[in-house]
Amino acid sequence: AQSVTQLGSHVSVSEGALVLLRCNYSSSVPPYLFWYVQYPNQGLQLLLKYTSAATLVKGINGFEAEFKKSETSFHLTKPSAHMSDAAEYFCAVSALEYGNKLVFGAGTILRVKS
Amino acid sequence: NAGVTQTPKFQVLKTGQSMTLQCAQDMNHEYMSWYRQDPGMGLRLIHYSVGAGITDQGEVPNGYNVSRSTTEDFPLRLLSAAPSQTSVYFCASSPPLGGNVNYGYTFGSGTRLTVV
Repeated sequence: AQSVTQLGSHVSVSEGALVLLRCNYSSSVPPYLFWYVQYPNQGLQLLLKYTSAATLVKGINGFEAEFKKSETSFHLTKPSAHMSDAAEYFCAVSALEYGNKLVFGAGTILRVKS
Repeated sequence: NAGVTQTPKFQVLKTGQSMTLQCAQDMNHEYMSWYRQDPGMGLRLIHYSVGAGITDQGEVPNGYNVSRSTTEDFPLRLLSAAPSQTSVYFCASSPPLGGNVNYGYTFGSGTRLTVV
């Protein structure tokens, strides 16, 4: 089975500071990994995805994530936080061997302080 | 291109009532899924489908039924609503894996369901 653990249900950063949201996955087969963002009262929007190509993945809004197989991690970063980044972020894992089911972590709420 | 459309956006049910949440996509995606979102628990998979006529259970299928008669539609049926089914429900669709660069689930805007 596959699973995702997001460390920290809430993260608070100052505007302009580095954003680091942590995600560790468990999968017995090569995974596909995703980060989604959810703004209040909205659906989920895909930020970026890892599909076994480059290990450093760049997404929208200045976010990027690095796939580290040895650490089973896929942490999300952004060099400089903006007030508009305040939202809930979800890491998710999928694999063809598991029927393409997308399994989510519990989510991390990012707060950006002015 | 509307993407994934969910109806209704809001619904209040009485315990024991049944209803169907509608989901339609116009991207010709083979894969479709239903999730429920509850605070602190992320999104949990209810049912999913890899194509018309093929469905399977996810993590929390009890109390829900699905069918997939066409590629476009994937309705979710609540058989006898219970307060524990109060949640926000999301439908999502994706092209298949296997080297498809466009792979990735597109989500609808959600249905907020309250069971009283």
